[in-house]
Amino acid sequence: DIVLTQSPALAVSLGQRATISCKTNQNVDYYGNSYMHWYQQKPGQQPKLLIYLASNLASGIPARFSGRGSGTDFTLTIDPVEADDTATYYCQQSRNLPPTFGGGTKLELK
Amino acid sequence: EVQLVESGGGLVQPGSSLKLSCVASGFTFSSYNMHWIRQAPKKGLEWIALIYYDSSNKYYADSVKGRFTISRDNSKNTLYLEMNSLRSEDTAMYYCAKDRPELGLYVMDAWGQGASVTVSS
Repeated sequence: DIVLTQSPALAVSLGQRATISCKTNQNVDYYGNSYMHWYQQKPGQQPKLLIYLASNLASGIPARFSGRGSGTDFTLTIDPVEADDTATYYCQQSRNLPPTFGGGTKLELK
Repeated sequence: EVQLVESGGGLVQPGSSLKLSCVASGFTFSSYNMHWIRQAPKKGLEWIALIYYDSSNKYYADSVKGRFTISRDNSKNTLYLEMNSLRSEDTAMYYCAKDRPELGLYVMDAWGQGASVTVSS
């Protein structure tokens, strides 16, 4: 299985930039696409898709969110951070079965 | 609007069985692959099962293989997860999720609110 590693937590100030990283132990690129996706989960809620194929914004997601990366290194950036962005963010790879998730990064406000 | 509504969760004893349902609406259920994902208390997300739109293929995580069975009834717009030989480590919130192949392989673009399963004596 492909293992995804995220830092457990990140604290940023309102209006600043948050950068969340995800590293994989295998390349998740395939035929020009990076099979890496990002989800947001607020407390008590189900996850919501934010970014698909590393850098594509899902429907209805504000442009403050962006993703980049390829191969084994990926980042999710939120700029500027708003109070409503307090949540846990998960990366997920779909290059191989089983789909696997990172451990999640909890974003908190300073 | 896409809606996924899970039901069937509860408190059960180790070794027992439980069957979860997920009723889908707002999209053509029979055209989409579906997933089950679980989340243990205060833990991360764990994918556990996938079923193709026509039930032609089913895949499982090693942690549930041989104990859990994913199925669907396209005439009822319903996804199922039959769980047998339940263990304490199966305690989790269970989410059904819709696959969106246009966005990439095995991307989950809609999730239900979850069904809580507690395995305890």
